[in-house]
Amino acid sequence: EDKVVQSPLSLVVHEGDTVTLNCSYEVTNFRSLLWYKQEKKAPTFLFMLTSSGIEKKSGRLSSILDKKELFSILNITATQTGDSAVYLCAVGHGNKLVFGAGTILRVKS
Amino acid sequence: NAGVTQTPKFQVLKTGQSMTLQCAQDMNHEYMSWYRQDPGMGLRLIHYSVGAGITDQGEVPNGYNVSRSTTEDFPLRLLSAAPSQTSVYFCASSPDRDYEQYFGPGTRLTVT
Repeated sequence: EDKVVQSPLSLVVHEGDTVTLNCSYEVTNFRSLLWYKQEKKAPTFLFMLTSSGIEKKSGRLSSILDKKELFSILNITATQTGDSAVYLCAVGHGNKLVFGAGTILRVKS
Repeated sequence: NAGVTQTPKFQVLKTGQSMTLQCAQDMNHEYMSWYRQDPGMGLRLIHYSVGAGITDQGEVPNGYNVSRSTTEDFPLRLLSAAPSQTSVYFCASSPDRDYEQYFGPGTRLTVT
């Protein structure tokens, strides 16, 4: 059965902290891994990763994929209260996208 | 561009009623999909379409029908609503399966 597991389920940090969110997967016909941010509305796209070891970066956010060990991490440095959200990991396989349950991040000021 | 639009935003149904959730996109995307989101469960794929006239089932298709007669529209039909279908429904589209998906604003459905 195709599976995407995110950890931790939730965490609370203080502004300025660095956080690492994890996503592991077991799917057939892997195509891509995507990260989304969801703030009470529709998910918004962050990154798509298809190759191992190549870091994608956008401002304070970065992500990397390990296709051998079947996982990805999303790093957020110098966190801000605006980073509070649910972070979703999704894996594309075949024609489908399978989502993990998400990590709830709360950044306290 | 309006992007992906969904109607209605909110809906309350009684058990056994049927209804159609509307989804439209103006980006000429081939790939469209429907998800439901329940607390603690992320998004689960209901049905998807890789182009007009082609649809297929996702993880949780039971109780739902779809059709794709045009590139722009991808309606989701609930045949006989059940309380277990209380959820937030998102429609998404992308140019094809190898691109990010763009999500609509969602429909919050309550079945009593």
